[in-house]
Amino acid sequence: NAGVMQNPRHLVRRRGQEARLRCSPMKGHSHVYWYRQLPEEGLKFMVYLQKENIIDESGMPKERFSAEFPKEGPSILRIQQVVRGDSAAYFCASSSRPGQGTYEQYFGPGTRLTVT
Amino acid sequence: QKEVEQNSGPLSVPEGAIASLNCTYSDRGSQSFFWYRQYSGKSPELIMFIYSNGDKEDGRFTAQLNKASQYVSLLIRDSQPSDSATYLCAVTPPGTYKYIFGTGTRLKVLA
Repeated sequence: NAGVMQNPRHLVRRRGQEARLRCSPMKGHSHVYWYRQLPEEGLKFMVYLQKENIIDESGMPKERFSAEFPKEGPSILRIQQVVRGDSAAYFCASSSRPGQGTYEQYFGPGTRLTVT
Repeated sequence: QKEVEQNSGPLSVPEGAIASLNCTYSDRGSQSFFWYRQYSGKSPELIMFIYSNGDKEDGRFTAQLNKASQYVSLLIRDSQPSDSATYLCAVTPPGTYKYIFGTGTRLKVLA
């Protein structure tokens, strides 16, 4: 299966703990996007990364949230000191080379984070 | 004004009918437009994308883009109960590659 992979699919954390969400892009894709979807709401852009670079983090909260996409390995979205309001579905999407005629993003299955 | 607006629905159509879903966007310079389908508890699935004014057809789906009026629509012909889902419109603002999503329209196809 060459689709976008995310793990874990479900994650439960207590308030104050750290959450780490992983995303491996589709084969041949080097651009990763993270979105958050709150219950009954639309998807909100968080951050756009290429390998070793954060291109656009305009949608990411300034505190407690960080993202990386290292040269080797998956992209990671890290949430420190989680609060109940962080409970949501976090989706990763990947694309090939935006700006060169292709902009389509393909989504992974998501990680459902529950903060208790 | 929201950047991307969709009627939340639900939009109910009988099986076999044409379902028409609409989306308006506020930034006139937006360049790329996408329709995703999302079943409850699942991830968004890309159905169509359109970059140029006019119509684009793919099987039972037709996307229509009118940049002058700042709207994009999705027509689903011969609607099936399996088409029942939430349809998300996404737009890329000028100078960026991120998507701005509407809140989605819930479609119900009645057997």
